[in-house]
Amino acid sequence: DAKTTQPNSMESNEEEPVHLPCNHSTISGTDYIHWYRQLPSQGPEYVIHGLTSNVNNRMASLAIAEDRKSSTLILHRATLRDAAVYYCILTETGANSKLTFGKGITLSVRP
Amino acid sequence: GAVVSQHPSRVICKSGTSVKIECRSLDFQATTMFWYRQFPKQSLMLMATSNEGSKATYEQGVEKDKFLINHASLTLSTLTVTSAHPEDSSFYICSAYQRGAGVGEQFFGPGTRLTVL
Repeated sequence: DAKTTQPNSMESNEEEPVHLPCNHSTISGTDYIHWYRQLPSQGPEYVIHGLTSNVNNRMASLAIAEDRKSSTLILHRATLRDAAVYYCILTETGANSKLTFGKGITLSVRP
Repeated sequence: GAVVSQHPSRVICKSGTSVKIECRSLDFQATTMFWYRQFPKQSLMLMATSNEGSKATYEQGVEKDKFLINHASLTLSTLTVTSAHPEDSSFYICSAYQRGAGVGEQFFGPGTRLTVL
């Protein structure tokens, strides 16, 4: 599986935008980029996914570099409830692909 | 969005006993379900892929005879930890894809906290 690298942690202020980076220099042309997050003592929650183009949904935006070797998850206005571990994961093409979780990035949000 | 439930949410058992954890997709059909394990302060580790009506596919290093998986219907998968020992104490999480949804989100259950005394 292609690997991703993320910083261990990041801090942000409430109501400010947050940019969470992810490097995936060995990504293949058919790998999808997924982001999940996990709040303490809960199962992970889907955030967003994309292939080549930038993506927006109600939770976040995903900005994908032109060479696809990196991507950035953007939370437009961080809230205290966004404090979680965020995982950037690559999946092989096709539906029902398994997810391989790395260490993720721990986001702290200051009030 | 689609909902995945797990039961029980928390279980404490004695060493040597077996524990069954249920994973249900409440409002969708799931041909494929996954079982993960998460130790404190660590990431999720995939244990096995459960396909409806067929045998589960286990990840390397996971004992199939110890972690029995049954996926008898499109909405239910069970994980049985047989002869549990304290080192099996962990947070067990299941997940599922919605049948026919294509590449998309994997829905996770809330997890089951297993403590083996």
